Amino acid sequence: GAVVSQHPSRVICKSGTSVKIECRSLDFQATTMFWYRQFPKKSLMLMATSNEGSKATYEQGVEKDKFLINHASLTLSTLTVTSAHPEDSSFYICSALPGLTYNEQFFGPGTRLTVL
Amino acid sequence: AQKITQTQPGMFVQEKEAVTLDCTYDTSDPSYGLFWYKQPSSGEMIFLIYQGSYDQQNATEGRYSLNFQKARKSANLVISASQLGDSAMYFCAMLPSGNTPLVFGKGTRLSVIA
Repeated sequence: GAVVSQHPSRVICKSGTSVKIECRSLDFQATTMFWYRQFPKKSLMLMATSNEGSKATYEQGVEKDKFLINHASLTLSTLTVTSAHPEDSSFYICSALPGLTYNEQFFGPGTRLTVL
Repeated sequence: AQKITQTQPGMFVQEKEAVTLDCTYDTSDPSYGLFWYKQPSSGEMIFLIYQGSYDQQNATEGRYSLNFQKARKSANLVISASQLGDSAMYFCAMLPSGNTPLVFGKGTRLSVIA
């Protein structure tokens, strides 16, 4: 099946720093990528929809200036957590959609962010 | 509105026994897809099985089968011959249509006992 990678898999940073998470589709082009956030023992919460070449669409309650999303190419989307604080600590997962006619999304392995 | 309901926060099953994880959904879309994912402690989302709303037969993938009852809007996952490695969180999800995000249920934590 299709492969989606995320980098880094785990990051620990100090409060106030910015952290960039990359999501790459390795063997297909993804016109659309989704970013999710997952708290411990909870379900995935959609943060935003990232479309290549256009601005991301954020879900209600998600701060655009806090979570910057860039989908510069058909194989790469990045999520930047700006001025991270301890409450931003979470598991972030991306998924990639190969195309409109395909009925499956492929998930990255996730990034565990810990802000001290 | 699209919604997935998983009413079992946690389930226990004896090794080698079968277990059913419940999932009901709500949508007004005529065409949709239903998915089950497994999430072990590592966090990775592992695709298990897919059922299209127009599929006539219930989907099966190895030890996984999906009991799709369209009139009841249910898509229960059946795991046969449970193994210790099946212990994980299981999420039911729906893809309403097009390039839209998956709608996830709250998940069921399955624990397989030796």
